[in-house]
Amino acid sequence: GAVVSQHPSWVICKSGTSVKIECRSLDFQATTMFWYRQFPKQSLMLMATSNEGSKATYEQGVEKDKFLINHASLTLSTLTVTSAHPEDSSFYICSAPGQGYEAFFGQGTRLTVV
Amino acid sequence: AQKITQTQPGMFVQEKEAVTLDCTYDTSDPSYGLFWYKQPSSGEMIFLIYQGSYDQQNATEGRYSLNFQKARKSANLVISASQLGDSAMYFCAMRSPPNTGNQFYFGTGTSLTVIP
Repeated sequence: GAVVSQHPSWVICKSGTSVKIECRSLDFQATTMFWYRQFPKQSLMLMATSNEGSKATYEQGVEKDKFLINHASLTLSTLTVTSAHPEDSSFYICSAPGQGYEAFFGQGTRLTVV
Repeated sequence: AQKITQTQPGMFVQEKEAVTLDCTYDTSDPSYGLFWYKQPSSGEMIFLIYQGSYDQQNATEGRYSLNFQKARKSANLVISASQLGDSAMYFCAMRSPPNTGNQFYFGTGTSLTVIP
């Protein structure tokens, strides 16, 4: 089946630095990628939707200047957390829709900002 | 607006017994998809089962079955013959139609613990 590969699976960074998370669709073309954030013991919350070749659409309350999303090709979407702070520590996961209702999730990235 | 409700924050089940995880949803779309995902401590989202809004039969996938009651807008997950490896978070989700955004709406999840 289709696979979305997400890297890194975990990252620890210092406060004030930036972190880039990549999601690659390995055997299909993903024109759309959804980015979610999940705090401990909570549900997945949609942050933004990236579309290949156009600007990402951000959900209300998500700072677009802080969470930079780039969808440069049909197989790669990236989320960059800029000037990360401890409150940005969370689990980030991407998902690409397939045909119809199916969807393929990345493995997730556990970000810890110290 | 779409909404998914899971009223059971935590559930316990004896190994080899069956367990039902509740899920209700709200949408004005006539077409939608309902999903259940399992999320172990590693964080990955594991697809379990899918039910389309127009499907007449309840979906089944091995030990998983979805009790779809459209009029009540409920989509409960039934896990039969529980195993220790079933201990995880379980999320009910609804997908809007591909031509209206195609995004998932997740419930708050149910933490299932299987007792030996």
